Amino acid sequence: KQEVTQIPAALSVPEGENLVLNCSFTDSAIYNLQWFRQDPGKGLTSLLLIQSSQREQTSGRLNASLDKSSGRSTLYIAASQPGDSATYLCAVRGSNYQLIWGAGTKLIIKP
Amino acid sequence: KAGVTQTPRYLIKTRGQQVTLSCSPISGHRSVSWYQQTPGQGLQFLFEYFSETQRNKGNFPGRFSGRQFSNSRSEMNVSTLELGDSALYLCASSLGTSGNENEQFFGPGTRLTVL
Repeated sequence: KQEVTQIPAALSVPEGENLVLNCSFTDSAIYNLQWFRQDPGKGLTSLLLIQSSQREQTSGRLNASLDKSSGRSTLYIAASQPGDSATYLCAVRGSNYQLIWGAGTKLIIKP
Repeated sequence: KAGVTQTPRYLIKTRGQQVTLSCSPISGHRSVSWYQQTPGQGLQFLFEYFSETQRNKGNFPGRFSGRQFSNSRSEMNVSTLELGDSALYLCASSLGTSGNENEQFFGPGTRLTVL
């Protein structure tokens, strides 16, 4: 059974820092992995989608990597801004084609 | 291009009632998935519809059902509501079934409160 873990559960850093969020999964038989952000009381915004055959994806200040063999993905945020404050979720599409979700990392960027 | 829309945004019901939630996907998207989000369980997959057919189903009781129409709009129904059904219900749409086509785009959610 696929399990997805996100560490840390919460993170608070000063503005301008580069930071890394972690996502690990137990079953390497995945189709893809997707990173989302969720603002309080709102839906999810897709950030990056990495196919199982890819190693990384980049969008602006965001870079996500995928290492299937070790069951890990990282989301790198460069030059963090207060507007980056949100909960970041990773989701893995496994062999049953369902999205399995991590519990999220709550990120606070202090001005 | 309009995003995924969900109606209603907020709903208050009492135990034993039933409720229907609606989701309109992004134009051209044929797949619609439903998720339940609660503080205790996080995000959990309910079901996915593609071209009017349920393609995948999570581990929820039969009280939770859904359907998809020919225009890809989807509805989710919950019968005999329980207190534990209080949650944010999220709908996501995607183009199709493979590669980058299954990138999911979410609506704002329907906040259901069961009293």
